[in-house]
Amino acid sequence: DSGVTQTPKHLITATGQRVTLRCSPRSGDLSVYWYQQSLDQGLQFLIQYYNGEERAKGNILERFSAQQFPDLHSELNLSSLELGDSALYFCASSVTGFPSTDTQYFGPGTRLTVL
Amino acid sequence: EDQVTQSPEALRLQEGESSSLNCSYTVSGLRGLFWYRQDPGKGPEFLFTLYSAGEEKEKERLKATLTKKESFLHITAPKPEDSATYLCAVQADNQGGKLIFGQGTELSVKP
Repeated sequence: DSGVTQTPKHLITATGQRVTLRCSPRSGDLSVYWYQQSLDQGLQFLIQYYNGEERAKGNILERFSAQQFPDLHSELNLSSLELGDSALYFCASSVTGFPSTDTQYFGPGTRLTVL
Repeated sequence: EDQVTQSPEALRLQEGESSSLNCSYTVSGLRGLFWYRQDPGKGPEFLFTLYSAGEEKEKERLKATLTKKESFLHITAPKPEDSATYLCAVQADNQGGKLIFGQGTELSVKP
């Protein structure tokens, strides 16, 4: 158990809908990261937040957005869902994230299925 | 463009048969190279971080090494419980905390 929690574990929804994935980092960690894992793309970085502020951005679609709240938990919002958004979504956390090369600890993931 | 390539894609070993997994990388400035283990449907589990060429780290039957262009994960006398996908990732300069992952090597160890 990494100490990172994610809810829900599974999510099944329809195309065009909007969903919210939630992540609670390890105690004491200030950075939260979101990754998407699909069969053909592997693990892809989406976005990083550090202490409530966006720190780094990957190839995150405009339909996707995230935020980190004052209690440091984070939410990833996915809207206008398409079939291709079906994937495992992982949250990770680290103590700081930049410029130090902290270890990122991953949560158990949320499996999203878009029908 | 920063890139990570792992080989082989899949590896089947008999219990006790040692082998190595390869991770080749191209980055503008390497800040760190990470190895993770991932079981099916689970989140990646951290194994090692390497920072500079020549560095080595060990944990039980696993040993990770780093050169200027690649990293190796050596598995000595593997057991069936070592079966998993092993992921390599790099962190590059000027990209915040972003990890760039390879596609992974799926290891299967038969008794």
